[in-house]
Amino acid sequence: EVQLVESGGGLVKPGGSLRLSCAASGFIFSTYNMNWVRQAPGKGLEWVSSIGSSSSYKSNADSVKGRFTISRDNAKNSLYLQMNSLRAEDTAVYFCAREAASGSPHFDYWGRGTLVTVSS
Amino acid sequence: DIQMTQSPSTLSASVGDRVTITCRASQSISDWLAWYQQKPGKAPKLLIYKASSLESGVPSRFSGSGSGTEFTLTISSLQPDDFATYYCQQFNTYSRTFGQGTKVEIK
Repeated sequence: EVQLVESGGGLVKPGGSLRLSCAASGFIFSTYNMNWVRQAPGKGLEWVSSIGSSSSYKSNADSVKGRFTISRDNAKNSLYLQMNSLRAEDTAVYFCAREAASGSPHFDYWGRGTLVTVSS
Repeated sequence: DIQMTQSPSTLSASVGDRVTITCRASQSISDWLAWYQQKPGKAPKLLIYKASSLESGVPSRFSGSGSGTEFTLTISSLQPDDFATYYCQQFNTYSRTFGQGTKVEIK
């Protein structure tokens, strides 16, 4: 069974840093592109960052460029999001999502999310 | 960046109604579009990919169509379990933007 479990969320002050993790199981992690998606309270979904299966490419939304860094460790079946210079508007539930490898991209599995709150 | 615009933002409908949600892309995305359903407090669930391909296990009352810049999600006969928020998502080379969502409410 495919499972994605996020961790690392919590309360952080503006300007602070946080590192999110996503533990993957039930599939060959090293063969899938992975993504982070967030959802602010009461708002819609916002794509944050993508990484290729071998870290060959990385891409970020404009709203987080220069502040967030996506990475992965295929040996540990883990995805990460390093978040620096956090702002109040980064407050959201952060989901990790697997990108299907069928040749037509889509997010076929999602974690339950981890809540990040940026507040003084 | 490619922008995705969904309409309407909110839709009130009754059980048994045919429901259509539209998603427009700011530039052509071929058929690289997916649709998701999300219920409060839950992760999104994939419904449709490649604009019109039904994800395994998703009821056949859901269908998608379109290509280029205009896409639709249709629910042929709305069921009680379908009251939720729906999102479209585009996939181009380096971004995966979502539409702002359409909330389907009980009329």
